[in-house]
Amino acid sequence: DAKTTQPNSMESNEEEPVHLPCNHSTISGTDYIHWYRQLPSQGPEYVIHGLTSNVNNRMASLAIAEDRKSSTLILHRATLRDAAVYYCILWDMNTGFQKLVFGTGTRLLVSP
Amino acid sequence: DTGVSQNPRHKITKRGQNVTFRCDPISEHNRLYWYRQTLGQGPEFLTYFQNEAQLEKSRLLSDRFSAERPKGSFSTLEIQRTEQGDSAMYLCASSLVGRATNEKLFFGSGTQLSVL
Repeated sequence: DAKTTQPNSMESNEEEPVHLPCNHSTISGTDYIHWYRQLPSQGPEYVIHGLTSNVNNRMASLAIAEDRKSSTLILHRATLRDAAVYYCILWDMNTGFQKLVFGTGTRLLVSP
Repeated sequence: DTGVSQNPRHKITKRGQNVTFRCDPISEHNRLYWYRQTLGQGPEFLTYFQNEAQLEKSRLLSDRFSAERPKGSFSTLEIQRTEQGDSAMYLCASSLVGRATNEKLFFGSGTQLSVL
């Protein structure tokens, strides 16, 4: 399984932007970069994914480095509800069945 | 669409007892997954079904664990002769496989198992 490296924890203030980094230096050409987050006492939920180009959706933006060896999940204005563990996952969805493999993620703390 | 439903939310059992958990996926989702999560760790893959067929099992799934998805809809995960090390959150997820680039997993809220 391709590996990702994330900081164990990060802190932010409410209504400020948050940049969550992820390193994936061994990424292969067919790996998609996925982000899931897990709120307290909930199962993980999908946030965003991308391959090469930057992606935006209603929840967040994903900025992917040109060499694809790192990416950043951007929350434009953090709210208290964004406090969660964020998982950066490489997933090759085009080569047969590949299970989604979670690491330990980044715990985001949001202060009022 | 009511999301992925798991029952019960909490289960406390004594060591050696059998337990069964149920997962109702999002209707028409053809893949169903079971994961296990312990405190401070990310979810670990256990097994998955494509419709009613169980296609992959992790080595974490010992002989005491069995999962079924009899009609390609709901699934059950049974643990026989529970051990204290089985205490964890058991998560179910489902997805619709069609266009691979759009596959997303939808997770339930999990069943928290405590083995005393």
